[in-house]
Amino acid sequence: GPKVLQIPSHQIIDMGQMVTLNCDPVSNHLYFYWYKQILGQQMEFLVNFYNGKVMEKSKLFKDQFSVERPDGSYFTLKIQPTALEDSAVYFCASSLGWSSQNTLYFGAGTRLSVL
Amino acid sequence: AQKVTQTQTSISVMEKTTVTMDCVYETQDSSYFLFWYKQTASGEIVFLIRQDSYKKENATVGHYSLNFQKPKSSIGLIITATQIEDSAVYFCAMREGAGGADRLTFGKGTQLIIQP
Repeated sequence: GPKVLQIPSHQIIDMGQMVTLNCDPVSNHLYFYWYKQILGQQMEFLVNFYNGKVMEKSKLFKDQFSVERPDGSYFTLKIQPTALEDSAVYFCASSLGWSSQNTLYFGAGTRLSVL
Repeated sequence: AQKVTQTQTSISVMEKTTVTMDCVYETQDSSYFLFWYKQTASGEIVFLIRQDSYKKENATVGHYSLNFQKPKSSIGLIITATQIEDSAVYFCAMREGAGGADRLTFGKGTQLIIQP
């Protein structure tokens, strides 16, 4: 099936540094998402993105978070500065349209460890 | 607020048998969409099957089928003729409404172990 690629698979950084998580969505998809999973917990919605804009974000999407997809390249999640509680696995997803009518395809996640 | 609960943390069955994984959900919406995904050992998350709330017929895809009991807010996943490669963590998820908030609410997952 369609593949969403996430780079890197694991990132270790010091608290206070900036980190950028990269996502290569399915090529013809238009809607993009980030989800966060803390170890042992369920995945939780962070943000969705369409047509160059954030459409919705949850309370977990702090002011230190930002997303963009410049010129159809990677869909990125940037955290600046990072905090210890940002340690989690971050999953990117994409779909052709809204998830009520279309399937969400997920990447394998980036494990972020903030020290 | 919407909520998805998977009470089974781990299930172990013999290969070639049938297994059912439970999922119950809470929602105020009359229209909603239910999904099952599996996460393999490599971390890959794979979409398996979906059920739209307005459809009465249980969805079936390959050896996956759903037991949708709307009055009980329950959406069980049934896997028949299990294979070793079905070993994974299975997540149930819900999306409320046809419009509005475009987000999935996930359960905590059920680890399925298929023994030879």
